[in-house]
Amino acid sequence: AQKITQTQPGMFVQEKEAVTLDCTYDTSDPSYGLFWYKQPSSGEMIFLIYQGSYDQQNATEGRYSLNFQKARKSANLVISASQLGDSAMYFCAMSGLGRLYFGRGTQLTVWP
Amino acid sequence: GAGVSQTPSNKVTEKGKYVELRCDPISGHTALYWYRQSLGQGPEFLIYFQGTGAADDSGLPNDRFFAVRPEGSVSTLKIQRTERGDSAVYLCASREGGNTGELFFGEGSRLTVL
Repeated sequence: AQKITQTQPGMFVQEKEAVTLDCTYDTSDPSYGLFWYKQPSSGEMIFLIYQGSYDQQNATEGRYSLNFQKARKSANLVISASQLGDSAMYFCAMSGLGRLYFGRGTQLTVWP
Repeated sequence: GAGVSQTPSNKVTEKGKYVELRCDPISGHTALYWYRQSLGQGPEFLIYFQGTGAADDSGLPNDRFFAVRPEGSVSTLKIQRTERGDSAVYLCASREGGNTGELFFGEGSRLTVL
């Protein structure tokens, strides 16, 4: 069965610093995708970044990069140069059986 | 429309009442999903449509929950005999097709059962 684990309920980072949000996953499927979503207090889920299981390179999107370690089954999100507007819940998700499976999320707070 | 639209954004009802939540996906997206998000939790899968048919309804918690998508576009999630434990944000998402790629989410319908 597919499972996503986010072990950090909350993280704090100072503005302009980098932060890593942890995500580990479990699946027996050889082909899968890993996603990160941001959910601000307003509630909408905003797609940030995607990594395919067969991708050789780590995905990057602007200030977001995904540190994909397949053997460890981890897909950590790295946010560089944090901004106050990055304060939000962050969810890691994995595709399987036609749907996305989500972790419990990490609440990121960026302080000035 | 430009994005996934959900109505109502907020619904307060009394225990035992019937509720309908509506989702209008991105035009052309054949796959439509319903998720439920309780406070402090990640989204939990309920049901997935590919076109008009429910491809996977294994996440529906019990037979009080039902969803339809009669014309392959708009979907309605129906909850009968609501209970206080049904209080949550109900998220709808769509994607272009197939079973890969990111989901595009609406802003959710917050249901409160008193």
